[in-house]
Amino acid sequence: QQQVKQSPQSLIVQKGGISIINCAYENTAFDYFPWYQQFPGKGPALLIAIRPDVSEKKEGRFTISFNKSAKQFSLHIMDSQPGDSATYFCAAPLSGSARQLTFGSGTQLTVLP
Amino acid sequence: DAGVTQSPTHLIKTRGQQVTLRCSPKSGHDTVSWYQQALGQGPQFIFQYYEEEERQRGNFPDRFSGHQFPNYSSELNVNALLLGDSALYLCASSPQGNYGYTFGSGTRLTVV
Repeated sequence: QQQVKQSPQSLIVQKGGISIINCAYENTAFDYFPWYQQFPGKGPALLIAIRPDVSEKKEGRFTISFNKSAKQFSLHIMDSQPGDSATYFCAAPLSGSARQLTFGSGTQLTVLP
Repeated sequence: DAGVTQSPTHLIKTRGQQVTLRCSPKSGHDTVSWYQQALGQGPQFIFQYYEEEERQRGNFPDRFSGHQFPNYSSELNVNALLLGDSALYLCASSPQGNYGYTFGSGTRLTVV
């Protein structure tokens, strides 16, 4: 089963700082790369996603940077806020026709006030 | 517009028992997927249902089975529960062939 490798496992950032989470994938046929945000007691929620035909996508304070040659993509959270404190997961499609996702192991982000 | 609804929210079962978890998809979604999320880990794909049939299955034993009803709601059944089955079970729905999954808040299963 294809895997995505996510780092770091945990991250502590001061309010207003930049949070950066990285993800590496294996299969060059992947065509969709999302980031999910999960708060305690809740299910993951789609935060932002990118297709491999672009190198960057920005939505508000959240940006995905995509490096196809390195098979890596990263999430940047600008002006990090305490409300951003959550667990973040990268994901990539599983092989097969059902368009399922395989998730990274998660990064627990803490933004200090 | 209700999102994905899962029931129950919490459940405690004894090893060897059987459990059924339920999921109602988001309005307009016809595909339901189930994931298992162990503490401190990412969700792991169990299986997906579309048109009342299992479309794809992850690396889970046959003790895990499911069902989808004509109204697109779904059940996850786990037989012969093991301590290692303790986890958060997540249901995600989407329009068929679309990556845009909406997750429910999950059912926290504890096996003792």
